[in-house]
Amino acid sequence: DAGVTQSPTHLIKTRGQHVTLRCSPISGHKSVSWYQQVLGQGPQFIFQYYEKEERGRGNFPDRFSARQFPNYSSELNVNALLLGDSALYLCASSSRGTERDTQYFGPGTRLTVL
Amino acid sequence: AQKITQTQPGMFVQEKEAVTLDCTYDTSDQSYGLFWYKQPSSGEMIFLIYQGSYDEQNATEGRYSLNFQKARKSANLVISASQLGDSAMYFCAMREGPGTGRRALTFGSGTRLQVQP
Repeated sequence: DAGVTQSPTHLIKTRGQHVTLRCSPISGHKSVSWYQQVLGQGPQFIFQYYEKEERGRGNFPDRFSARQFPNYSSELNVNALLLGDSALYLCASSSRGTERDTQYFGPGTRLTVL
Repeated sequence: AQKITQTQPGMFVQEKEAVTLDCTYDTSDQSYGLFWYKQPSSGEMIFLIYQGSYDEQNATEGRYSLNFQKARKSANLVISASQLGDSAMYFCAMREGPGTGRRALTFGSGTRLQVQP
């Protein structure tokens, strides 16, 4: 079975632009979470979706938004990009989204903002 | 206060030896999950092992075991018989229960493990 997939792999944008990152969860998984990992740090939680509804949001500005589609895939959108948005963006899927559920991560999208 | 603390920024171990990576956590929830992930230089987070707060036995997965001491709020990862391919960043993470209103993973700052031949 395929794991979590993310696209694109790498992305270069300039300040002020908008970006859309995509994620497809493991087949049968209904929960998707997004994390931002700045170089040298652990991942930071951005959003969690379960059954197309937002279950949680981390401490990120409103420039960050996300949604989950009926097939459980997800998009993360970032508007008005800043240099500080340069990071590895990780998507994770889990079956139910509970505290005992293991989250499986995709390979990530490396975003560079110039 | 930090939820997850990993006090070892870097560790060295000789091939075939065992190594322990430290992790302490802070939560007021009774129900929570503790996870360890491995992140090679490629960037992908690879799930290694899980320990539930109500699990009485320490978790084991092949060469990985988790030394869970609930009263001390520690969840150390033990890797036995280290291999060169074990060289990577290792992250401890916690997922708290429904009382927090969300079930996101909170990560520590990571430990970089280097296995020497």
